[in-house]
Amino acid sequence: SAVISQKPSRDICQRGTSLTIQCQVDSQVTMMFWYRQQPGQSLTLIATANQGSEATYESGFVIDKFPISRPNLTFSTLTVSNMSPEDSSIYLCSVRRDSKETQYFGPGTRLLVL
Amino acid sequence: GENVEQHPSTLSVQEGDSAVIKCTYSDSASNYFPWYKQELGKGPQLIIDIRSNVGEKKDQRIAVTLNKTAKHFSLHITETQPEDSAVYFCAASISGGYQKVTFGIGTKLQVIP
Repeated sequence: SAVISQKPSRDICQRGTSLTIQCQVDSQVTMMFWYRQQPGQSLTLIATANQGSEATYESGFVIDKFPISRPNLTFSTLTVSNMSPEDSSIYLCSVRRDSKETQYFGPGTRLLVL
Repeated sequence: GENVEQHPSTLSVQEGDSAVIKCTYSDSASNYFPWYKQELGKGPQLIIDIRSNVGEKKDQRIAVTLNKTAKHFSLHITETQPEDSAVYFCAASISGGYQKVTFGIGTKLQVIP
């Protein structure tokens, strides 16, 4: 398994501001993913962040709104830019080791935008 | 793309009874099926997974079955306990390389003491 930590665990933000969420893994992983989980909903993939390449975004998500960094094999950040109340959600970091399909999830960042 | 349907969306059982959650998938190429448990305020945790070359897998009180022909897979929890109360997600993906994992909508299980 993988031990994943996220910072912050929760935050309350004002509309129009930006928040950067950090994801730290206890070992090197090839693939890191960012998901959004709206209240009572399933998991929606925002983007895949592989070290050394640009993040790949899913339909409906754009880099200007959700810029991602992946500076090394154990760390990634997701920024939620120019936030609106519709961005209130849980943001989850997930990782997959290079040769296995199993994905592990971090504890999530609970974001409330007022 | 893959589509995973999950039901029921909510399930209440008495402590000690069994709980069954069912999922169907659409892409016959999918061959890896994990199940996640998400407790309140936490991230999803992998509890069991099954690959398409296996029809059933057990881990203590948890079992998963797979019917490739019908594209069905199910999670069975026996002797349920209050700590089993959580949201359970099924998922499907294609093994090897980068393949996106598709999740079901989740089942909120409540075990009544």
